[in-house]
Amino acid sequence: GAVVSQHPSWVICKSGTSVKIECRSLDFQATTMFWYRQFPKQSLMLMATSNEGSKATYEQGVEKDKFLINHASLTLSTLTVTSAHPEDSSFYICSAVIRAGGHTYNEQFFGPGTRLTVL
Amino acid sequence: QQQVKQSPQSLIVQKGGISIINCAYENTAFDYFPWYQQFPGKGPALLIAIRPDVSEKKEGRFTISFNKSAKQFSLHIMDSQPGDSATYFCAASISGNTPLVFGKGTRLSVIA
Repeated sequence: GAVVSQHPSWVICKSGTSVKIECRSLDFQATTMFWYRQFPKQSLMLMATSNEGSKATYEQGVEKDKFLINHASLTLSTLTVTSAHPEDSSFYICSAVIRAGGHTYNEQFFGPGTRLTVL
Repeated sequence: QQQVKQSPQSLIVQKGGISIINCAYENTAFDYFPWYQQFPGKGPALLIAIRPDVSEKKEGRFTISFNKSAKQFSLHIMDSQPGDSATYFCAASISGNTPLVFGKGTRLSVIA
């Protein structure tokens, strides 16, 4: 299957600092990527939809000024958690949708996740 | 309002047994139903998926059964193994690049 990478795999930061998480599609182009957050023993919660070359669409309750998303190319989307606080500690996961030959496929391939711990 | 309801929350199965996880959805516009397997500290991995034009899909030990009229679908894991112990999520979406709606997950433990 298609490969999606995330970097870093884990990060520990002090409260008030900003953290950038990268999501890359390694062997395909992804015009759309999704960002999810997962708290321990819970399901994935969609945070935002990231479209290449346009502004991200945020889910209700997700602060767009706090979670900055940039989808600068067909293979890279970044999530920046600005002024992080302990309540932002979570597992952040991205996924990408394959687009090839003018067709967008349903299958979403997930990255390995990034564990963020804010002290 | 949760659009995809998943049950049970947890499941313990003997090695070699059948694991069954059920999901129900509300939005009749959904036309793509995948199942994901997630191990602790890892991202979800696509296991198997089905579309509403078929009632069953089998891949190895994994089978999805789909009932369009009841708006339900289920995952069956045959000959369950300890290595299958993980959290399983059902999901649904509408064709195209729309986000997945996830169930709450089922933690499966396969004991020897």
